[in-house]
Amino acid sequence: GDSVTQMEGPVTLSEEAFLTINCTYTATGYPSLFWYVQYPGEGLQLLLKATKADDKGSNKGFEATYRKETTSFHLEKGSVQVSDSAVYFCALSEVAAGNKLTFGGGTRVLVKP
Amino acid sequence: DTAVSQTPKYLVTQMGNDKSIKCEQNLGHDTMYWYKQDSKKFLKIMFSYNNKELIINETVPNRFSPKSPDKAHLNLHINSLELGDSAVYFCASSLSGGGGRNEQFFGPGTRLTVL
Repeated sequence: GDSVTQMEGPVTLSEEAFLTINCTYTATGYPSLFWYVQYPGEGLQLLLKATKADDKGSNKGFEATYRKETTSFHLEKGSVQVSDSAVYFCALSEVAAGNKLTFGGGTRVLVKP
Repeated sequence: DTAVSQTPKYLVTQMGNDKSIKCEQNLGHDTMYWYKQDSKKFLKIMFSYNNKELIINETVPNRFSPKSPDKAHLNLHINSLELGDSAVYFCASSLSGGGGRNEQFFGPGTRLTVL
């Protein structure tokens, strides 16, 4: 079945540092890929998505590129802020699986001033 | 305007009780979902409904029974609650179609604690 693996946290960074969170996936077909963010005490919000190979999703300074050859969708941000402290989830969905989201385990990011 | 709302936000109850969580969306979506987030933040699909029809039913104990009275509502009833049911339950909604590309919108979650 489908699965998503992302790096375990917590990741602790200083403000303005570069952030990378690795995500790889296994899927039977051609999934759509997503990054969701969960701020403390809140639900999940879509951060960005990519729906086909070589697509780049971007939002709020975050970027991720759909790499079919390496089955990866790594999240990057060039200069993090304290407000970026959250848990980040990589996820995929496939039509054949009823469009459910299959999530990675989440990566907690803590940005210190 | 709340897009996806859940009630209650917190639920504390004793083992063996029966409880319900309600979810409503005002986005005009036709598909709704329940996800469970455990204490380690791991998220897993439980159920999905499309136009009031059950589409996804993962390996969830039959003590959990979803009910969708209409496209805008998806409720979750849990019988004979167990300690292991303690988790945060998230409702989500989306439009169907789109080849899996459609964003799912999540509610704020219901934190269930079983004592």
